[in-house]
Amino acid sequence: DGGITQSPKYLFRKEGQNVTLSCEQNLNHDAMYWYRQDPGQGLRLIYYSQIVNDFQKGDIAEGYSVSREKKESFPLTVTSAQKNPTAFYLCASSPQGVLSYEQYFGPGTRLTVT
Amino acid sequence: SQKIEQNSEALNIQEGKTATLTCNYTNYSPAYLQWYRQDPGRGPVFLLLIRENEKEKRKERLKVTFDTTLKQSLFHITASQPADSATYLCALDKGGATNKLIFGTGTLLAVQP
Repeated sequence: DGGITQSPKYLFRKEGQNVTLSCEQNLNHDAMYWYRQDPGQGLRLIYYSQIVNDFQKGDIAEGYSVSREKKESFPLTVTSAQKNPTAFYLCASSPQGVLSYEQYFGPGTRLTVT
Repeated sequence: SQKIEQNSEALNIQEGKTATLTCNYTNYSPAYLQWYRQDPGRGPVFLLLIRENEKEKRKERLKVTFDTTLKQSLFHITASQPADSATYLCALDKGGATNKLIFGTGTLLAVQP
């Protein structure tokens, strides 16, 4: 059963703590992405990776970090430097190339920081 | 700055009618445009992709148009059903090798039985 998984679905943390969100895919996609979605807003790109051991900042990378040590995995760490971390986080993957490809999204992780 | 606008208000229509959603953009020249469906609390699901040199694309009850002169895409659902109720997102891709998408804020569609 191919797809992209995120865990956990809900996550609660105290302010000042770092937290890592998991994203795994078995679609053999080269590219992976992290987005943040706030109520009434579209998806905003945090980080993306087109190949293992390489990643690029998106539009709102401040306060976040990522790693891409394996093709299948692209974890996102929300650090204490992120001023408004409470949001719905979505991970996606796609083939990589010069054409435009659909992105496959995971179910999302809803992070609440108090 | 680059801007993507979708109907900010919810679109309410009767079952069986055609729903038409708009996506307007400024200061951007996308090579491709994609449409996604998102249900509450879930990740978006891809629906259709249209290239800049294509005027129209169809898939079952769905139709997308892309007018690069007007900088607008229209998304139509014919014979709408209550199960079509969801938020629909447009996303622009300017092409090249990054495969990065810029998403609009989405339009909430409610189909009344």
